[in-house]
Amino acid sequence: DVKVTQSSRYLVKRTGEKVFLECVQDMDHENMFWYRQDPGLGLRLIYFSYDVKMKEKGDIPEGYSVSREKKERFSLILESASTNQTSMYLCASTGGSGGYTFGSGTRLTVV
Amino acid sequence: EDKVVQSPLSLVVHEGDTVTLNCSYEVTNFRSLLWYKQEKKAPTFLFMLTSSGIEKKSGRLSSILDKKELSSILNITATQTGDSAIYLCANALHYGGSQGNLIFGKGTKLSVKP
Repeated sequence: DVKVTQSSRYLVKRTGEKVFLECVQDMDHENMFWYRQDPGLGLRLIYFSYDVKMKEKGDIPEGYSVSREKKERFSLILESASTNQTSMYLCASTGGSGGYTFGSGTRLTVV
Repeated sequence: EDKVVQSPLSLVVHEGDTVTLNCSYEVTNFRSLLWYKQEKKAPTFLFMLTSSGIEKKSGRLSSILDKKELSSILNITATQTGDSAIYLCANALHYGGSQGNLIFGKGTKLSVKP
């Protein structure tokens, strides 16, 4: 089974801090995604990547950046965390004809 | 603008009931439609549908896609309390030969009472 691992389950950060959310997949997938999930808004795409060093903006990229230096790792960066970035962050991976595989999520609270 | 709309947004039933969850979509470059179940953590994959009219089944769950009507339904028969979850519908879009990103609906929150 494909495993998508997110480094932290729960994270509390202060406003203005730089935050790194890490995601690693173990099936050599080309495609990786970062979503955030908020009540009433569903899942929204922040950034995605089809290959190493390649990134594309999703629907809500403002305030975020990403890094894909290695195929298995896709990092989401909050340059200067703000309270409106308090959310559940989900990483996903796909490379074949099946469905996407999600990580367990990171619940980030910015205080 | 691409969008996926699910209905109802929430539903409360009793154990043993049969439920039907709806998903409609307006997307360009349609590739496939996916259903997920989300309990406390991340969504888990249920079905992927690409061909119209072919039902996919897994135990008490089944789903079918209607490309003409741009919609899909997810059926759950003989519901159990363990079916309580948010059910997400998503469209995978096609980008230049690679797997595209997903557009999600807001989900249907299903609560199954004992």
